[in-house]
Amino acid sequence: AQKITQTQPGMFVQEKEAVTLDCTYDTSDPSYGLFWYKQPSSGEMIFLIYQGSYDQQNATEGRYSLNFQKARKSANLVISASQLGDSAMYFCAMGGGSNYKLTFGKGTLLTVNP
Amino acid sequence: EAGVAQSPRYKIIEKRQSVAFWCNPISGHATLYWYQQILGQGPKLLIQFQNNGVVDDSQLPKDRFSAERLKGVDSTLKIQPAKLEDSAVYLCASSLVPIGQVGTDTQYFGPGTRLTVL
Repeated sequence: AQKITQTQPGMFVQEKEAVTLDCTYDTSDPSYGLFWYKQPSSGEMIFLIYQGSYDQQNATEGRYSLNFQKARKSANLVISASQLGDSAMYFCAMGGGSNYKLTFGKGTLLTVNP
Repeated sequence: EAGVAQSPRYKIIEKRQSVAFWCNPISGHATLYWYQQILGQGPKLLIQFQNNGVVDDSQLPKDRFSAERLKGVDSTLKIQPAKLEDSAVYLCASSLVPIGQVGTDTQYFGPGTRLTVL
């Protein structure tokens, strides 16, 4: 079974600063993918970034980067130069194995202060 | 490219009534998913289709929930009869890659339907 743990229920960051959202995972599948999604108050899940288990380099997408440490089973999201619009729930998710369903963590509520 | 469409966006019903949600995935996406997201939690998969076949419905409460994807494109999720604990956001997602292909493909989500059962 796959499991995702997000230990930070809430995080605060000042505008223009960087912030790291933690995610640890557990799986017995050798091939898997790790995802981060953003969910604003409007409710839509917005895909941010993906890391494959065999990828050698950490994924980056604009201001988002994924700090993938396979031995530690962690996949932390780093947001650089935070903006007010980054205030939202952030979910870490894992997919892979015999099917492609995503297993989500409980999320972290990020608040960016001006 | 149009995203995943869902309707209605909001629905309020009384317990024991029935309700249906509709989803139209991104054009060409073979796999379609329905998730239930209860307030304060991450989404939980209810059912997964590849084209018009069910891949995984292990967490679907089949005594009251049903779903279909008849022509392998859009899909309907129904609850009959609804219970108070069904109050949640119902998210539809789709992905391009069919089951069996190596790797995990990105799932793209619709705006969701917020259901309130009174």
